[in-house]
Amino acid sequence: DTGVSQDPRHKITKRGQNVTFRCDPISEHNRLYWYRQTLGQGPEFLTYFQNEAQLEKSRLLSDRFSAERPKGSFSTLEIQRTEQGDSAMYLCASSLGQGGYFEQFFGPGTRLTVL
Amino acid sequence: SQQGEEDPQALSIQEGENATMNCSYKTSINNLQWYRQNSGRGLVHLILIRSNEREKHSGRLRVTLDTSKKSSSLLITASRAADTASYFCATAMKTSYDKVIFGPGTSLSVIP
Repeated sequence: DTGVSQDPRHKITKRGQNVTFRCDPISEHNRLYWYRQTLGQGPEFLTYFQNEAQLEKSRLLSDRFSAERPKGSFSTLEIQRTEQGDSAMYLCASSLGQGGYFEQFFGPGTRLTVL
Repeated sequence: SQQGEEDPQALSIQEGENATMNCSYKTSINNLQWYRQNSGRGLVHLILIRSNEREKHSGRLRVTLDTSKKSSSLLITASRAADTASYFCATAMKTSYDKVIFGPGTSLSVIP
């Protein structure tokens, strides 16, 4: 399967713990995006990478959130000191070019539940 | 506030009927996209329409764009139960072509 993969698919954690999610994009895609989605809402843009460079971050991304794409391939999203408000589906997507012009391919998401 | 908003929030139709969803946005765009999300396949890109296009077709999908009214519509003809999903319009503002903003979506239920 050469689509976008995310790991884990589900994560349950206690408030205050740190969590890390991984995204493996389609190999030839230079753009990688992270979104957060809550029930009944569309995905909210968090950040994106062009190759290994993180070029834009949403104001939604507080200092507890950090994302990396060290070699321009897979990416990780870490949330430190999780809060109940962080409970959501975290989606990763990749594309060949700018997301406003090119189709984004989405992974299945990681569902985070903070107790 | 969100760039795009879909209308209606929820729509229920019988199989075989047509479904129309609308999207309104606030700022100038270069193009607009529609995505579908269901539990089985996640978020999937349906169609992209450029700002200089007024109508575009893809199979049973027809998308229109009216830049003067800052609105778009998605028509699904001869709906099937498999079309049951949430549909989102997505736009990227001219100031940031990578920052794609999704609307809250229309939840479509097609009853067999």
